[in-house]
Amino acid sequence: GEDVEQSLFLSVREGDSSVINCTYTDSSSTYLYWYKQEPGAGLQLLTYIFSNMDMKQDQRLTVLLNKKDKHLSLRIADTQTGDSAIYFCAESMILTGGGNKLTFGTGTQLKVEL
Amino acid sequence: NAGVTQTPKFQVLKTGQSMTLQCAQDMNHEYMSWYRQDPGMGLRLIHYSVGAGITDQGEVPNGYNVSRSTTEDFPLRLLSAAPSQTSVYFCASSITGDEQFFGPGTRLTVL
Repeated sequence: GEDVEQSLFLSVREGDSSVINCTYTDSSSTYLYWYKQEPGAGLQLLTYIFSNMDMKQDQRLTVLLNKKDKHLSLRIADTQTGDSAIYFCAESMILTGGGNKLTFGTGTQLKVEL
Repeated sequence: NAGVTQTPKFQVLKTGQSMTLQCAQDMNHEYMSWYRQDPGMGLRLIHYSVGAGITDQGEVPNGYNVSRSTTEDFPLRLLSAAPSQTSVYFCASSITGDEQFFGPGTRLTVL
């Protein structure tokens, strides 16, 4: 079955690191994604990791994947007020009819305090 | 490139009314999809299309119709709106369905 879970809220101080966690259930996922949604806006792709990788770093973002535990995390270094948003993880699976499907988590609301 | 565009941005309907949410992309993407976003539930897939002339159902297709006559456009039709369809609707496009690009959303209220 497909189920992607995230905690609903995270609050950090400006300058600290944020770690947003996600668990998923489908081991056949090909890619795992992190999207960011600012208030009143659509989803913006932040980063992704291929399922055979353990880690990916992209500037202030670090994605860690533990495939054995089906656990994905997003670390944001030196968190800024502009990072306040909802963060969604998503897993990608191949559809029998062709193409891929994304299953999204419920989203984690990140609040950055001064 | 405009990317993925959606119209309208906001809409209020009465129960039983019908309407079409428009979605267009100018990136020549084959894959397009519609999601609805409800508080605490993430995004749920309504319908998707892997190319012109091909559509299929997602997780929550009931009450919605789609068609894909061109690569660029993927309209979502509500046949008889219900309060349960109050939501924010997002259209997305992709080359293969993996890295999806989202539109700005349509906020729909059904009274």
